[in-house]
Amino acid sequence: EVQLVESGGGLVQPGGSLRLSCAASGFTFSRHWMSWVRQAPGKGLEWVANINQHGSVDKYADSVKGRFTISRDNAKNSQYLQMNTLRAEDTAVYYCARTDPYGTGWFDYWGQGTLVTVSS
Amino acid sequence: DIQMTQSPSTLSASVGDRVTITCRASQTCSSWVAWYQQKPGKAPEVLMYKASTLQSGVPARFSGSGSGTEFTLTISSLQPDDFATYYCQQYDSYSLTFGGGTKVEI
Repeated sequence: EVQLVESGGGLVQPGGSLRLSCAASGFTFSRHWMSWVRQAPGKGLEWVANINQHGSVDKYADSVKGRFTISRDNAKNSQYLQMNTLRAEDTAVYYCARTDPYGTGWFDYWGQGTLVTVSS
Repeated sequence: DIQMTQSPSTLSASVGDRVTITCRASQTCSSWVAWYQQKPGKAPEVLMYKASTLQSGVPARFSGSGSGTEFTLTISSLQPDDFATYYCQQYDSYSLTFGGGTKVEI
């Protein structure tokens, strides 16, 4: 059974940093692109970043480029999102999502999400 | 970025109704569109990919169509479990984008 479990969310002050983790199990992690998708309270879905199977290619939404860094450790079956210079508008539930087996860009499995609140 | 515009934003329907949700892209995305269902407090779940391919395990009452810039998700006979919010997503461009969502309510 595919499982994605996020951790690391919490309350942080504007300008602060936070690192999210996603532990994967039930599939061969190193064969899949992985992504982070977020959802602000009461709002829609926003793709944040993704990373290729080897960790050599990463892409970001313009809203987080230069502030967030996605990474992965295939030996630990985990991916991460380092979030710096956080803003109030980064407040959201952050989902870890697996990209489809064909690597085209849709998401076939999602974690339960972790809430990040940016507030003073 | 390719903008995805969904309509309607809210849809009132009854059990047994045929329901259609539309997603329009600001530029062509071929057939690289997926549809998701999200229930309150839960993660989204994929229903459809490549515009019209049903994900394994999804009931056949869900269908998708379209290509280029206009896409539709149809539920042939709405069931109680289908009351949820639906999102389209394009993956033609490396900058992945979602529609704003359609809430299907009673």
